[in-house]
Amino acid sequence: EPEVTQTPSHQVTQMGQEVILRCVPISNHLYFYWYRQILGQKVEFLVSFYNNEISEKSEIFDDQFSVERPDGSNFTLKIRSTKLEDSAMYFCASSVQDFGADTQYFGPGTRLTVL
Amino acid sequence: GEDVEQSLFLSVREGDSSVINCTYTDSSSTYLYWYKQEPGAGLQLLTYIFSNMDMKQDQRLTVLLNKKDKHLSLRIADTQTGDSAIYFCAEASGYSTLTFGKGTMLLVSP
Repeated sequence: EPEVTQTPSHQVTQMGQEVILRCVPISNHLYFYWYRQILGQKVEFLVSFYNNEISEKSEIFDDQFSVERPDGSNFTLKIRSTKLEDSAMYFCASSVQDFGADTQYFGPGTRLTVL
Repeated sequence: GEDVEQSLFLSVREGDSSVINCTYTDSSSTYLYWYKQEPGAGLQLLTYIFSNMDMKQDQRLTVLLNKKDKHLSLRIADTQTGDSAIYFCAEASGYSTLTFGKGTMLLVSP
């Protein structure tokens, strides 16, 4: 069964450094998402992406964040200058369509630790 | 904004039924979901229900929706130790974003 994959599984970085989290969505999916989960808190929506553009973003997704689909398979989340509070599990998801019951399939997550 | 609330912990014995409850605030929610997260793994969609349905059954899983009270529940029949995980309730109100609860940790003891 096709699945969303994410690399690395765990990333440790120093505060102020740039990190790039990578995701390979399911191949026939058109909509891509990033969510994050700070330890002990809710899974929070960051951004959705379609047709090489951001379609929706949350308040969390400020100028320090960017997303890109550099080729036909990868979908990346870049944090330009990491802060301690960026430490979280970051989940990538993808779906065929955008709306309702079209299932978002999630990857296993990347645990980002900012020291 | 939208909010989804769940109890944080549930402990049951193997073979019993588990009922995980969720409440939400967004009256325009159109789809409600249950996701399962096992240790070290991603979020796995278990089931979903459209807001005009009251109940949905899928093998051992039964979802009940009380739209008037904005209450959603997931019942797992004959709970097994392999069902031990965190269960997330989530809602979508017609856009691409999902709003999640904090998750309910289900612990199944032999």
